[in-house]
This record gives sequence, structure tokens and C-alpha cells, in this order.
Amino acid sequence: EPEVTQTPSHQVTQMGQEVILRCVPISNHLYFYWYRQILGQKVEFLVSFYNNEISEKSEIFDDQFSVERPDGSNFTLKIRSTKLEDSAMYFCASGPSGIETQYFGPGTRLLVL
Amino acid sequence: ILNVEQSPQSLHVQEGDSTNFTCSFPSSNFYALHWYRWETAKSPEALFVMTLNGDEKKKGRISATLNTKEGYSYLYIKGSQPEDSATYLCAFIGVGGGADGLTFGKGTHLIIQP
Repeated sequence: EPEVTQTPSHQVTQMGQEVILRCVPISNHLYFYWYRQILGQKVEFLVSFYNNEISEKSEIFDDQFSVERPDGSNFTLKIRSTKLEDSAMYFCASGPSGIETQYFGPGTRLLVL
Repeated sequence: ILNVEQSPQSLHVQEGDSTNFTCSFPSSNFYALHWYRWETAKSPEALFVMTLNGDEKKKGRISATLNTKEGYSYLYIKGSQPEDSATYLCAFIGVGGGADGLTFGKGTHLIIQP
């Protein structure tokens, strides 16, 4: 069964450094999402991406964040200058349409020191 | 700010017993409600997408109901098994739908005791 994959599974970085989190969505899906979960808190929506552009973004998704679909398969989240509070589990998801099930990857645990 | 609440936060159930828990969400501007099952160190797994008031969906021993007028959904597990131990998340999408992100509750952490 097709699945969403994410790399790396864990990343440790220094405050102020740039990180790129990578995702390979399910191949025939059209909608792509990033979410994060800070330890002990709810899973929070960051951004959705459709037709090669951002469709919606939350208040969390400020100028330090960007997303890209550089080729036909990868979907990336870049955090330009990481802060301590960016430490979280980051999930990528994809879906065939905007209303149907979103399929989640296993997450990347980011730790900013 | 959308508020999606789940109760209880955690639940211990004896193997073989049935159980249920609640998700409450804004009753206005409803578009869809999703239920996910999330085991530690795995991807959240989709259970149901519910859109219509009165919807009832079933997958094996797990079922869910939806009341959009009063803003709640119940998830039921019949004859709990140890493999049902997981965190169950509900997530709301408001009108606008499309590529909107999901607004999640905090989850109900279910532990099945043998």
C-alpha cells in the first residue's frame, strides 16, 4: 500500500541554523500539508499546498518557513533560522482531494539546541 | 480560533469491554470531521471522514457517529483488544474545505489492559 515517507526521522540542530525537512507524498495525490506537534500539545496545521502554490497557511507559518515541491515527488519544509520553540514533531500529509482522508507520514522529530 | 475538544484525555479499559469517547467541535461552519488512530512511533492512520449530520461509519469493531447540529462526534470500540491501544484524534475542517488544514483535538489516549 502506498505511504507517505519523511526524512530524516530525527534531526538535531543549533539555534539559528537552517533545516530542510523532506517528504515524499503518495504519488497520485494533489494536496500536500505540513503539521507539527510540540510535545504535550495538539497537532497544529502549518500549511497546505495545491497546484504548486500555498493554498492556506496558519499563523505559525511565518516568514521563517517556506515550502517547495522541487520535482514531481518531493515536498519540503524549510525553516530558515531555527528557534528553540521550533522543536517539535513535524508531519507531512497528502490527500487526493481537499476533503478526503489526509495520509500522514511518520514524522520528523526536530530538536533545536 | 477553532476549538476542538476531546474527552476523556486518557482511558483504561479491560480487554473485551466496549468503550466510547467524544469529540466536540464548532457547530457552525462545519465541513467535515476526521478520526485518526495514532500508535506511538507510527503514522497517524485514518479511520473515518464524516460530513453529513447523522452519519454513522463503521470499520470492523470501531464505529463513529456525527451530530453537526450540536457539534459532537462519538467513537465507539466494541470488544476492546490490546491492539486497540493508541491515541485517537479527531480533526475538524470548517467551511471553505478545499485545501484547508485540519484542526485537531488533543486526543484520547486509550490503554487496553489484558
